[in-house]
Amino acid sequence: NAGVTQTPKFQVLKTGQSMTLQCAQDMNHEYMSWYRQDPGMGLRLIHYSVGAGITDQGEVPNGYNVSRSTTEDFPLRLLSAAPSQTSVYFCASSYMGRGNTIYFGEGSWLTVV
Amino acid sequence: QQPVQSPQAVILREGEDAVINCSSSKALYSVHWYRQKHGEAPIFLMILLKGGEQKGHDKISASFNEKKQQSSLYLTASQLSYSGTYFCGTEIGSARQLTFGSGTQLTVLP
Repeated sequence: NAGVTQTPKFQVLKTGQSMTLQCAQDMNHEYMSWYRQDPGMGLRLIHYSVGAGITDQGEVPNGYNVSRSTTEDFPLRLLSAAPSQTSVYFCASSYMGRGNTIYFGEGSWLTVV
Repeated sequence: QQPVQSPQAVILREGEDAVINCSSSKALYSVHWYRQKHGEAPIFLMILLKGGEQKGHDKISASFNEKKQQSSLYLTASQLSYSGTYFCGTEIGSARQLTFGSGTQLTVLP
């Protein structure tokens, strides 16, 4: 049981490049989400999904796209990377309903130069 | 709205106790507590649901005061392994969106 798996773990991008952060979970969770964490700060919600084909914006969605074609996968796309997107990105998943634990992936460290 | 955590940082000696507070201006469905060590993912500690319940696990416990929209995390007889940054995440609606506080950095010294 792998839990929540994120790839890549580390990535350096040039300004203007695009890339996709992959997230997969094997727990059959309906809910998946992406957070970013900047140095010394808490986690901020980028996008989330409550099931295949359903996505919605979180607190800081600008510059990011998501899709949810399967229950297992929830990729995060950076359309045109900017230095302000340098951050650590965490994918998380859980069952729907209050009281269910939200599990985090190990994080993806992204640097935009 | 981001919950407010206090204190921002605390330094303890091994065996001492600590309390971390988390408050919100909105009515909460639940409060989630996580601990994060440097360079690692947040690790789940516990969830408290609306209803004023209190939970505990080993020497870490928490309470949720629904009237005040406030939760407190209690660490008793702290161990070196308790060092890290503690985050509370609050759930307001039913869509499972967690909004996190800015964290409390806990350092336990020998």
